[in-house]
Formats: sequence, C-alpha cells, structure tokens
Amino acid sequence: EDQVTQSPEALRLQEGESSSLNCSYTVSGLRGLFWYRQDPGKGPEFLFTLYSAGEEKEKERLKATLTKKESFLHITAPKPEDSATYLCAVQLYGQNFVFGPGTRLSVLP
Amino acid sequence: NAGVTQTPKFRILKIGQSMTLQCTQDMNHNYMYWYRQDPGMGLKLIYYSVGAGITDKGEVPNGYNVSRSTTEDFPLRLELAAPSQTSVYFCASSYSISINTGELFFGEGSRLTVL
Repeated sequence: EDQVTQSPEALRLQEGESSSLNCSYTVSGLRGLFWYRQDPGKGPEFLFTLYSAGEEKEKERLKATLTKKESFLHITAPKPEDSATYLCAVQLYGQNFVFGPGTRLSVLP
Repeated sequence: NAGVTQTPKFRILKIGQSMTLQCTQDMNHNYMYWYRQDPGMGLKLIYYSVGAGITDKGEVPNGYNVSRSTTEDFPLRLELAAPSQTSVYFCASSYSISINTGELFFGEGSRLTVL
C-alpha cells in the first residue's frame, strides 16, 4: 500500500532556531514529491516539487531535499510567520497524489 | 484571477439531508479534484476530473457524486449525509499532471458538520 508519513507531528521552535521536518514514503511508483504549506482555515499552498534523489530546492528560509525514501524540509532561522502546517505529497503515475498527515510548526517570538 | 473558489465555507447538515458543495476555477485548468481532510489524516481524494464531461472515483468516493459540465465548475454532491462525512472539503485544480506543472491549486475549504 502506498503510504506517506511525516514527523514530527508537531514542532515548536524559538525564532531563529533551525530544524528539519521529515517526510518518508513507501510507494509503488514515484513521479515527484511536493511540499505544501497550510495556514489555519486555508487551503494548502504549493512550495516545492522534487523529481529525483539528490535534488534540492530553496525558497527564502526553506530548503527541501529528496532521497530515495524520504524528503526533508529544512527551516533556517525561522520567523513567527513561518508557523503553519507543512504537508508533503507524493505524486504517483497518473493523477493520484498521496498526502502525508502534516507537521504542525509553531515558531515562537 | 480569483483562483479556486469554494462555497459555502461552513455548513451544518442533519443526517439524511443532501447538499452540493460548489467549486469554480478561473485558471482554465483541465484537472480538478475534491479532497477531504480529517484531523491527523492526510488529504484523501474523493473524485477527480481530467476535463469537461470526464470524472473518475478517487480513494473515498462512497456517499458522494460529481459532475463536470464546464471546464470551470466541479460541484460535489452529498446524498443522504452521514456523521462520517463531517470533514473539511477542499477543491483543487491543476494545469496538467506533468511533474513540472502539476502542482495543485486549492480553494479555501468548506467545513461540513453532519449532526
């Protein structure tokens, strides 16, 4: 069964305290891995797509990396406005995405 | 562009009632999706459409129906609402399913409670 897990479930950081979120997957055929940010009461918003192991993408304080079995979202010197739930999703062949349950990040001032 | 617009944002239904969640997008995307999001769970695909007149079941289609008469609109119908359908529903669209242009654009969600 295709499965995506994320850890930790929740993470509290002080402003400026760097950390990483993990997304692990076991799927039959990976086309790509997507990261989304979701603010409370809103829909997910696209951040990154990663296609192959070894690939990295950066956006402001966020950097996403991909290996054959997992992806990491590194957050460098986070600010309170980075507080959100971060979702990863694996795109299988065809239209299907399998979403992880998310990591709820809180950055305290 | 408004993007993906969903209505209503909130709704309370009684068991056995029916309703339609509306979704419209103005990006001329061919692909549209309905997901439900439950606490602690990943988004689950209910139905999707690859273009006007074409729909297909996702992972959790039971108790729902969809139609796609235009490129812009993709309504989700709940027949005989049950407490298990209490959830937050998200409509999404994408330009294609290719890797470099396949990201999903989501609406703000419709929170449904069935009592």
